[in-house]
Amino acid sequence: QQQVKQSPQSLIVQKGGISIINCAYENTAFDYFPWYQQFPGKGPALLIAIRPDVSEKKEGRFTISFNKSAKQFSLHIMDSQPGDSATYFCAAGLSGQGAQKLVFGQGTRLTINP
Amino acid sequence: GAVVSQHPSWVICKSGTSVKIECRSLDFQATTMFWYRQFPKQSLMLMATSNEGSKATYEQGVEKDKFLINHASLTLSTLTVTSAHPEDSSFYICSSRPPGGRDYGYTFGSGTRLTVV
Repeated sequence: QQQVKQSPQSLIVQKGGISIINCAYENTAFDYFPWYQQFPGKGPALLIAIRPDVSEKKEGRFTISFNKSAKQFSLHIMDSQPGDSATYFCAAGLSGQGAQKLVFGQGTRLTINP
Repeated sequence: GAVVSQHPSWVICKSGTSVKIECRSLDFQATTMFWYRQFPKQSLMLMATSNEGSKATYEQGVEKDKFLINHASLTLSTLTVTSAHPEDSSFYICSSRPPGGRDYGYTFGSGTRLTVV
């Protein structure tokens, strides 16, 4: 019940295209859903996060779509650029008082071809 | 924003020796620090959760005597890999977030690449 399933495992998109990565969770108590971007040899960096009281959140070229009934959320990268080539992780957690651990998806290796 | 500084960024050590990795919260008090391990092309695996002033909580299957965690202050948590062996070679990352409020952003350190030879 703590799993977060992420797909696809790898993705190749042409420059200027839309990259879409999907995640599904099981625990309905989760109320915090972040996406992280990780470059080789670096720690993950928070890209964008959403809470279940909204269905969509957009920050620049990055958009999270959230479907509470389906227990799914996705990351859309518009106008994908070669600099977006990285590994992306979705995660889910609880936002209550104190620090709560995140459950991570398996990761998606994104390659943007120039 | 919240910053977690992790050192060293990489370390090579001989088998049987111990290595200490430090994570410091630079602009907030990190009452809790999460320690992760990541193998190549894999996701982050939570090893343990450390709380300032108390014993760390280890995930199932993680040897607490091999991976010693100390969280003696609100700004510093350390992970010591004791009697390291080649199978301990991995990428270790710490993470924390500022307490309270609606800022739910977990910040990660830059990671430490450990190679045991």
